[in-house]
Amino acid sequence: DTGVSQDPRHKITKRGQNVTFRCDPISEHNRLYWYRQTLGQGPEFLTYFQNEAQLEKSRLLSDRFSAERPKGSFSTLEIQRTEQGDSAMYLCASSPLAGGFYEQYFGPGTRLTVT
Amino acid sequence: GNSVTQMEGPVTLSEEAFLTINCTYTATGYPSLFWYVQYPGEGLQLLLKATKADDKGSNKGFEATYRKETTSFHLEKGSVQVSDSAVYFCALSDQTGGGNKLTFGTGTQLKVEL
Repeated sequence: DTGVSQDPRHKITKRGQNVTFRCDPISEHNRLYWYRQTLGQGPEFLTYFQNEAQLEKSRLLSDRFSAERPKGSFSTLEIQRTEQGDSAMYLCASSPLAGGFYEQYFGPGTRLTVT
Repeated sequence: GNSVTQMEGPVTLSEEAFLTINCTYTATGYPSLFWYVQYPGEGLQLLLKATKADDKGSNKGFEATYRKETTSFHLEKGSVQVSDSAVYFCALSDQTGGGNKLTFGTGTQLKVEL
C-alpha cells in the first residue's frame, strides 16, 4: 500500500496559464475526492468521483476548473486561465466504496502559487 | 448548510499538560464526526472518529465524545508531548447523497514545548 500520491508537489505558474495536477489513489479505492486548502483555513470540498463518474461538484468549482478520472483510476484536476486567487494547496483523498463511512486517505497535496 | 467551528490557535502548552481543543458543528441530519491531524510537512491523517451520538473516538491518547445535545466534539488529551505539535482539524461527514464529503473547521495549531 503506497498511499495516495500527487504530482507535482509544487507548481508555480503565471496568471493566465493552465495547470494540471494528477492524483493516484490507493488502488482498490473506488471513491476519489478533491479538496482545496488556503492558508489558515481547513480543506474545502471541490468534487468527488465514484469510479469514473463525477457525482458531485461544489459551487467552488468554477468553469475554469475541470476534473476527470478516466477508467476509474488516477484523476486529473485542470485549472484554466489561472488567477492569483487560485493559489492554494490542492488535496486529493480516496476511500473504499461503502454504505457507511470509510476513512478518507489524503495525499500530500499540490501547492499552487500563481504569480 | 453544514459548518464546523473550532477554537482558534495557536495553542501553546508545556509537555505533559492537559489539552482541550473545542469543536462545535451545525449539520442537517446525523453526521459522522472526525478529528484529523496534519504534522509539519505531511498530509492529513485521521486521528479519530465517532459515527453516532455518545460515541467516543480514541487514538494515541486522544479522545473525543460525540455530544448531540451540545453539537460538540471536543478533542482532549491528558498529557501532551512535543511530538503532538501539529495542526488539528475537526470535520464532519455529510452522507446526504451518499458522497461522504468532509466539511472541515479552520484548524487549530498546537505547539508543545519542553
